[in-house]
Amino acid sequence: DSGVTQTPKHLITATGQRVTLRCSPRSGDLSVYWYQQSLDQGLQFLIQYYNGEERAKGNILERFSAQQFPDLHSELNLSSLELGDSALYFCASSPSRGRWTGELFFGEGSRLTVL
Amino acid sequence: EDQVTQSPEALRLQEGESSSLNCSYTVSGLRGLFWYRQDPGKGPEFLFTLYSAGEEKEKERLKATLTKKESFLHITAPKPEDSATYLCAVQAGAGGTSYGKLTFGQGTILTVHP
Repeated sequence: DSGVTQTPKHLITATGQRVTLRCSPRSGDLSVYWYQQSLDQGLQFLIQYYNGEERAKGNILERFSAQQFPDLHSELNLSSLELGDSALYFCASSPSRGRWTGELFFGEGSRLTVL
Repeated sequence: EDQVTQSPEALRLQEGESSSLNCSYTVSGLRGLFWYRQDPGKGPEFLFTLYSAGEEKEKERLKATLTKKESFLHITAPKPEDSATYLCAVQAGAGGTSYGKLTFGQGTILTVHP
C-alpha cells in the first residue's frame, strides 16, 4: 500500500461526458502528480501541483483540468470525453523534504472506459 | 524531446536464469534515471535512482547500472515473484523542470516460470 488513494477505481461513461477523478496523497506529501497510462502511449505525465499551486504541465489536453485543494487532495477533471481518453489515470505523490530521489508513490489508478 | 526506449518488449525466463533489461535514453541534461516495477492492476513501485554514469545500485536480485546512453537492470537468479513490468524513466535537467515530470519508456514485461 503506497498510501495514495484514488477514487473511483473503475469508471465507464459515454463520449461527450465529463468525469472527475479524485486523489488523496500520502500524509505529509505536498506534491501531487497525474499520469495517464494507455497501451499505445505508455505512462505519460499530465500535470503537477505543489501545495495548491500548479508546478508543471505535460501533454495535458485542454479538455482536461486539475486542481489541488487546501487539504492537499487533488481532482482531475476530464470533459468532452472521446474514445481515445480511455486509459488508466494514476495519481502520485512525493516527499516534500530531503533530497529528491525520484521516488514517486503511485496510487492504484482509476480505469476510465469511454464507450 | 526526451526519449526512452526499453528492450526487449517482453522476456520469458526460467527460474534461476539470469538476464538483463535495457533502457536507452536521449535527454538534454540528465538529472536522474529511475527504475520502477509495475504489477498487473497496480501503480508503479519505485526501485532505483541513478544520477550519473558509472553509478550502480542493488536490491536483492536486482542491480541497476548507468552509462551515458543507457541503463541496464540485471536480474540474478530470478524467481516467479519477480514477474512484472519493469519501467525505466528519465528526468531532464532543463531549468524550471519539475522534479516529478518523468519521461517513461514503454516497459519490459518479465515473466519468470518456475
